[in-house]
Amino acid sequence: DAKTTQPTSMDCAEGRAANLPCNHSTISGNEYVYWYRQIHSQGPQYIIHGLKNNETNEMASLIITEDRKSSTLILPHATLRDTAVYYCIVRNLPGSSNTGKLIFGQGTTLQVKP
Amino acid sequence: KAGVTQTPRYLIKTRGQQVTLSCSPISGHRSVSWYQQTPGQGLQFLFEYFSETQRNKGNFPGRFSGRQFSNSRSEMNVSTLELGDSALYLCASRYRQGRQPQHFGDGTRLSIL
Repeated sequence: DAKTTQPTSMDCAEGRAANLPCNHSTISGNEYVYWYRQIHSQGPQYIIHGLKNNETNEMASLIITEDRKSSTLILPHATLRDTAVYYCIVRNLPGSSNTGKLIFGQGTTLQVKP
Repeated sequence: KAGVTQTPRYLIKTRGQQVTLSCSPISGHRSVSWYQQTPGQGLQFLFEYFSETQRNKGNFPGRFSGRQFSNSRSEMNVSTLELGDSALYLCASRYRQGRQPQHFGDGTRLSIL
């Protein structure tokens, strides 16, 4: 699986959009980008994933650059409860032989401030 | 529907003992993966089970083992516990095929004295 690079930490004001970048310059054509977050004392929570098109769900939006070498997770209106460690992960196209192994980096600690 | 359930939430053991942790996946999920999380190493993959068979294994010693039952529930066992085994052990489940992501439980916090 491709290696990802994320900033160690970021701050965001409550109510503002939080934009979390991720670099995955060695991503291959069949690898998806997944985002998870982990709030203190809880397990990682799935947020969103995508291949090459921008994706949006009730939690966030995922913007993937045209060359797929980087992506940005957008939390449109951050709240204090969004304070967490955010992980960007790339993995192979799901299929019958697909492994469930996720390789987590150190992630980005997002601090939402009032 | 109910999420991934892990029991117990907290556990204290002493060196040399063994421990068994349990994971009940989301209903309909047939694949279960286990991870270890420590402050120094972060989240690391232990192994994955599907249809009662281990499908993938991380770089951990043989003291770490697991199994999966016919109802997809899974257990992991750690024998001859060491101080360094103190960690948060996380279980994740998913459908075997398709793009559906893994969903995690809140883990078992294991402390070794």
